[in-house]
Amino acid sequence: DQQVKQNSPSLSVQEGRISILNCDYTNSMFDYFLWYKKYPAEGPTFLISISSIKDKNEDGRFTVFLNKSAKHLSLHIVPSQPGDSAVYFCAENTGNQFYFGTGTSLTVIP
Amino acid sequence: SQTIHQWPATLVQPVGSPLSLECTVEGTSNPNLYWYRQAAGRGLQLLFYSVGIGQISSEVPQNLSASRPQDRQFILSSKKLLLSDSGFYLCAWSALGEKLFFGSGTQLSVL
Repeated sequence: DQQVKQNSPSLSVQEGRISILNCDYTNSMFDYFLWYKKYPAEGPTFLISISSIKDKNEDGRFTVFLNKSAKHLSLHIVPSQPGDSAVYFCAENTGNQFYFGTGTSLTVIP
Repeated sequence: SQTIHQWPATLVQPVGSPLSLECTVEGTSNPNLYWYRQAAGRGLQLLFYSVGIGQISSEVPQNLSASRPQDRQFILSSKKLLLSDSGFYLCAWSALGEKLFFGSGTQLSVL
């Protein structure tokens, strides 16, 4: 079974508005989550992470929220820019392993 | 600074042929090393990871194998490729179990 799930395969947002990407997880024992951004034919690049001792972590236009009771995390991008158009993956760090979701393709419309 | 090298960028191989993809990391010692695959329209699947020389953990049974002959070298191999082995292969490293740093990937097409 997949430990990390991204149920929305795609999302379109107008430039300047907020993009919200969601992720659900099943394993509650481990405590570190990450978001990655990926362009076609390139390796993913790290965006932001969050530990379970926090509910929120912010870095510039990117904010990640963690809801431990719901086993849900979300990535907010404000304001969205056309250059943000990419596939976004959430990942769970279980010690030595990193498990990724299936990704959400974000399109920011100018 | 640390860098990760992965090659080749693209590869077209016939069914039944062998495979060898190589990945090297510079600027760090004793990294954890990983191989992932992204099949068309799918997410990133963890194939193998290694916490040290000669130590390989396999996540899914498949037609592939991995080896770590040196501290900063990770090799993905197959004796006979299948059509289903096509995909985008990514090598990655991490230090102390923190965030992953990915290589640029290899697009493998098995025909």
